[in-house]
Amino acid sequence: AQSVTQLGSHVSVSEGALVLLRCNYSSSVPPYLFWYVQYPNQGLQLLLKYTTGATLVKGINGFEAEFKKSETSFHLTKPSAHMSDAAEYFCAVIGGYQKVTFGTGTKLQVIP
Amino acid sequence: DTAVSQTPKYLVTQMGNDKSIKCEQNLGHDTMYWYKQDSKKFLKIMFSYNNKELIINETVPNRFSPKSPDKAHLNLHINSLELGDSAVYFCASSQAPGNEQFFGPGTRLTVL
Repeated sequence: AQSVTQLGSHVSVSEGALVLLRCNYSSSVPPYLFWYVQYPNQGLQLLLKYTTGATLVKGINGFEAEFKKSETSFHLTKPSAHMSDAAEYFCAVIGGYQKVTFGTGTKLQVIP
Repeated sequence: DTAVSQTPKYLVTQMGNDKSIKCEQNLGHDTMYWYKQDSKKFLKIMFSYNNKELIINETVPNRFSPKSPDKAHLNLHINSLELGDSAVYFCASSQAPGNEQFFGPGTRLTVL
């Protein structure tokens, strides 16, 4: 079975501060990992993904994430938060049977 | 052009009614999905179709029945609606199972 754990259902950062959203996963096979963002009253939009190759992946809007197999983590970071980053963020894993499992989401609040 | 579209965007109905939500994708993808997002933003996969064939069927009441008339469409029919069915339902598509998914804008279903 595969699973995703997102630590912290709510994260608050000041504008200009570092954003760090945590994601840990479990998978019986080498995983594909994704981060999605959901703005209010909208669908999910892909931020970035890891499949194979380079473990540091860059996405849209200045976000990046690093796949760390030894820690089974795929944390999302952004050096400097912007007000427009306020949204719900979901980590997802695709493991065996090509089935996707989403984390429970982290709501990011950016304080001016 | 909208990649994944859903109709209606809002659906308010009485308990016991039957309703349908339609989904269309113009991305040429082979795989389509239905998700349910509850009030706590938890996202749960319900169904997945690949080339019009059901490949994922999670523990969902029999009152929910997906129908895929062709690869570009995946509709969701719900019989005998219950209060607990109130949620936002998202359609998504991907090129193949295990690939990144593209989400529709969601359908907010309210059962009174």
